[in-house]
Amino acid sequence: VQLVESGGGLAQPGGSLRLSCSASGFTFSSSGMHWVRQAPGKGLEYLSGISGNEGSILYADSVKGRFTISRDNSKNILYLQMSSLRPEDTAVYYCVKDGWYTYGLLGHWGQGTLVTVSS
Amino acid sequence: DIQMTQSPSTLSASVGDRVTITCRASQSIGDWLAWYQHKPGKAPKLLIYKASTLESGVPSRFSGSGSGTEFTLTISRLQPDDFATYYCQQYDDLPGFGGGTKVEIK
Repeated sequence: VQLVESGGGLAQPGGSLRLSCSASGFTFSSSGMHWVRQAPGKGLEYLSGISGNEGSILYADSVKGRFTISRDNSKNILYLQMSSLRPEDTAVYYCVKDGWYTYGLLGHWGQGTLVTVSS
Repeated sequence: DIQMTQSPSTLSASVGDRVTITCRASQSIGDWLAWYQHKPGKAPKLLIYKASTLESGVPSRFSGSGSGTEFTLTISRLQPDDFATYYCQQYDDLPGFGGGTKVEIK
């Protein structure tokens, strides 16, 4: 299993950014996928998840209405579209694959991509 | 949403110590509880799932127990590689983490 995040960087408050996660080494279309973040000096925070067939999409209250998760099963890529960004969205963002075919069990993690929201 | 509360938030221990971390859920989650180890600059690692099932490749000094609302992670004999932050996470409903327990060298 390999998960490689990209798209992080510096964004302005109120701005947008799209994160991507390229997946390999497993059947992507059969796996639930998630985004989790860790702000500087803080703990892990679950953000969003999407099932393999996109039948289930989850959002934490902190990002609902601002972030959109999506996936392209033909390209094995997971996305997180982030808009109306706030300084408190500054964090390392992790792409995560379900473990043991269990939706919500965070079995395999990417190395993360840093998002900084600042003017 | 289900709230997860971990204690303690920090724990000072020595190599060879037995360490126990507690996690409480705000409502029953059955055994849909996982534990993760996180070291600075690295990806978190799944240790235990379904409250007590050891993930493949995880040393047997790690164990988990509990069901419903009360769970524990125990490290039987702390090793130098175990100094890290540990998180519980429920996946019964919208997934959520506890606040974390940092295991420090005493």
